[in-house]
Amino acid sequence: DQQVKQNSPSLSVQEGRISILNCDYTNSMFDYFLWYKKYPAEGPTFLISISSIKDKNEDGRFTVFLNKSAKHLSLHIVPSQPGDSAVYFCAASVGSARQLTFGSGTQLTVLP
Amino acid sequence: DTGVSQDPRHKITKRGQNVTFRCDPISEHNRLYWYRQTLGQGPEFLTYFQNEAQLEKSRLLSDRFSAERPKGSFSTLEIQRTEQGDSAMYLCASSESQGAKLFFGEGSRLTVL
Repeated sequence: DQQVKQNSPSLSVQEGRISILNCDYTNSMFDYFLWYKKYPAEGPTFLISISSIKDKNEDGRFTVFLNKSAKHLSLHIVPSQPGDSAVYFCAASVGSARQLTFGSGTQLTVLP
Repeated sequence: DTGVSQDPRHKITKRGQNVTFRCDPISEHNRLYWYRQTLGQGPEFLTYFQNEAQLEKSRLLSDRFSAERPKGSFSTLEIQRTEQGDSAMYLCASSESQGAKLFFGEGSRLTVL
C-alpha cells in the first residue's frame, strides 16, 4: 500500500530548461511534505518543504506546489543545471512525529 | 560542523550471523530515526527515538531487529540471525524535537550472502 507515489522513475531535461517532478499521495492526514535529493553513495539531503496550510513554497531555483484537493505536489527546478542530476524523493508526514513516508524516487538527468 | 555519521559504511556477512550498525546523530538533535532502503525504492521507516525513549516501531521491524539509544546520544541497530532479505541500505537520520527536517547519514550497506 503505497501512500506516496512517484510514477515517473526517470526524467531527462536539457540544461537551462524547467524540470518538473511529480508526486501523488493517498493519505489525507499528511500535513507536511518534503523533497529530498540523493546522489549515489550518499544519504538523502533535504531540499525544500511545504506545510499543508500553503500551496506554494519557493527557495531559489526550487519551487514546490501543493494541490490538496488533488493530493498532488510537484517540484519545479528552474533553470535546471547538470549538478541537479540526482534521484529526487518526495516524502510526507503526519503531525510532529516527522516519521516520513517516502515515494520511490525519480532519477533526474540534466543534459548539458 | 559534523553531520550524521554511520559505521560501518558497508558490511558483508553470511546468513545467520548477527550484525550491528552504529549511528552518531548531530549533537544537538534529540530525535533519531532508522530507515531502510532497498534498490529502486525510497527509504522505509523502521523506528525513532526521542532522546533515549523508543517512541515508535514499524511493523517492518521484526523480532530479529533491535535498536537502542542508551544515553540519548548515539544509537545502535542490531540484526540477529540475518537473512538474505535483510540486504539493504540502513539509513540513520536525526532532527530537532520540533524540527521539520530530517538530516540523513550516508548509510550502512548490508549484504547478506
